[in-house]
Amino acid sequence: QQQVKQSPQSLIVQKGGISIINCAYENTAFDYFPWYQQFPGKGPALLIAIRPDVSEKKEGRFTISFNKSAKQFSLHIMDSQPGDSATYFCVALTHGQNFVFGPGTRLSVLP
Amino acid sequence: GAVVSQHPSWVICKSGTSVKIECRSLDFQATTMFWYRQFPKQSLMLMATSNEGSKATYEQGVEKDKFLINHASLTLSTLTVTSAHPEDSSFYICSAELLTGEQYFGPGTRLTVT
Repeated sequence: QQQVKQSPQSLIVQKGGISIINCAYENTAFDYFPWYQQFPGKGPALLIAIRPDVSEKKEGRFTISFNKSAKQFSLHIMDSQPGDSATYFCVALTHGQNFVFGPGTRLSVLP
Repeated sequence: GAVVSQHPSWVICKSGTSVKIECRSLDFQATTMFWYRQFPKQSLMLMATSNEGSKATYEQGVEKDKFLINHASLTLSTLTVTSAHPEDSSFYICSAELLTGEQYFGPGTRLTVT
């Protein structure tokens, strides 16, 4: 079963700091890497996604860094805000496959 | 953007009764929808893949006779929890897939079985 390894399990960051969440995968056939954000009691929301033809994608304060050779990708949240406190899930898959969510990272941004 | 709705957002039912949860794609058609289950402080677990006009594909360990899935149209999939028991209490989330492979998730349905 295709899976991704995600770390850390939980993360506490001060307001204004940088939050970094890392994911690693094994299957080189993966070609789609989305990140989802989930607030308590809500469904996951697509935050940002990347395909392996680029090494970085930035949308506002959120950046995905992708290292194809290392089979790793990470989410960076710049200028972290208390409203960013949520659980973040990385996913890696090949088009047409089912999503397999990682264990998630619980982010707490302190005011 | 792609919007997926679920109804109801929460439901309480008595043990032994059945509960139906609806999942709708509001601004796009989805030939494939997915149903997930999430326990508190845990990740999402895929239960089944729902394909419009055909039988759902269930993940290993998911009882197909207990969790009935119907994908009657390109915008609606339903999950019926039959003869619900307290251990079925959970957060049920659906998603709908675009042709690009992106999945958009509904807001979830909190089921409590008493």
